[in-house]
Amino acid sequence: EADIYQTPRYLVIGTGKKITLECSQTMGHDKMYWYQQDPGMELHLIHYSYGVNSTEKGDLSSESTVSRIRTEHFPLTLESARPSHTSQYLCASSEGFYNEQFFGPGTRLTVL
Amino acid sequence: QKEVEQDPGPLSVPEGAIVSLNCTYSNSAFQYFMWYRQYSRKGPELLMYTYSSGNKEDGRFTAQVDKSSKYISLFIRDSQPSDSATYLCAWRGAGTALIFGKGTTLSVSS
Repeated sequence: EADIYQTPRYLVIGTGKKITLECSQTMGHDKMYWYQQDPGMELHLIHYSYGVNSTEKGDLSSESTVSRIRTEHFPLTLESARPSHTSQYLCASSEGFYNEQFFGPGTRLTVL
Repeated sequence: QKEVEQDPGPLSVPEGAIVSLNCTYSNSAFQYFMWYRQYSRKGPELLMYTYSSGNKEDGRFTAQVDKSSKYISLFIRDSQPSDSATYLCAWRGAGTALIFGKGTTLSVSS
């Protein structure tokens, strides 16, 4: 089983709140990713990181931001949550871009 | 045209059945083909991957790629209730992103 963790697993929050979704991996992988998954829809890449102090936006535009201060940690932040941010957020990591991506269990976010 | 088309199902089969899951794609740049399995309330896990046209077997699972038709399939033999999950096809083309299908939900009844 992959050693990649996400907290919280479920979050229900009101509009306008600032939230941070945590993602940690213990595999020493340089590459980390955030995907967004809506029910019945494709996973879409919203952010990725080559390594420490490197972050890039993915294919799907997102109002969230990410940081990569430590290799093992890749948190995602929403400064002001809105109902349109309701979704499942999946974190993943890989040894290289062409290696297997290991996924965390996901955070299911509901913004009221 | 969407880059990846995958029938979402749901697909319900009895235990022991042979299951066929399919995806089509439109982008000829796609080179590296994968199937992920996602159990309820879990993240996806890589099931199989292949670079080339033809068949690849791993136990009860066979991945088939037809690049000329832009079509990939996953066959599950002797399906088990533990195979009940959502199966996602995915591609890597140029760049870093994986392109995913919407997933097919499979239910295997005992």
